[in-house]
Amino acid sequence: DAGVIQSPRHEVTEMGQEVTLRCKPISGHNSLFWYRQTMMRGLELLIYFNNNVPIDDSGMPEDRFSAKMPNASFSTLKIQPSEPRDSAVYFCASRHRTGQTDTQYFGPGTRLTVL
Amino acid sequence: DAKTTQPPSMDCAEGRAANLPCNHSTISGNEYVYWYRQIHSQGPQYIIHGLKNNETNEMASLIITEDRKSSTLILPHATLRDTAVYYCIVRDNTGNQFYFGTGTSLTVIP
Repeated sequence: DAGVIQSPRHEVTEMGQEVTLRCKPISGHNSLFWYRQTMMRGLELLIYFNNNVPIDDSGMPEDRFSAKMPNASFSTLKIQPSEPRDSAVYFCASRHRTGQTDTQYFGPGTRLTVL
Repeated sequence: DAKTTQPPSMDCAEGRAANLPCNHSTISGNEYVYWYRQIHSQGPQYIIHGLKNNETNEMASLIITEDRKSSTLILPHATLRDTAVYYCIVRDNTGNQFYFGTGTSLTVIP
């Protein structure tokens, strides 16, 4: 398996522009998570999905952020309009859960710079 | 999820065992200990987890004390590629979020 795939790996945009980050989870995993990592705040959970349904979006900073999961193999995180304070590395993770294991597997991340 | 305490940084000589400690004195009976690491500019990587017994896989060993209030991750023969931030996470398997904290920055020295 190729693991969790994220695109683009790097994104540079100007304030006010729309940004769309993409994620393909590991096949067979039924949960997907979006995280954001900054030096100041570390790794923060933004939103997660179970079986393509958003379960908890309390970590989404504000209405400018939205996430969708139209099917089991694809998710997007959109920022509109983007602001410089949104600059961070955004990680997508998918989960394999059994009775003994609850392991999240992370993608390589998208480094977003908003000028 | 129980709070964990880790030293902020450690050094280890290449080829030697790296022993990374973690305190989790408030751990409850149904909570597992998970270890992840994050190599610079990459996503966090799962290493190992355990409940009560010591565990070993191809990457590392996990030693959990009998009272479960602390644990140690052991990298038996550290290489330069093991330089990373190591996170100890304690959680039960019914929740959804992993709280990564600040971790231990391990530097493997040639």
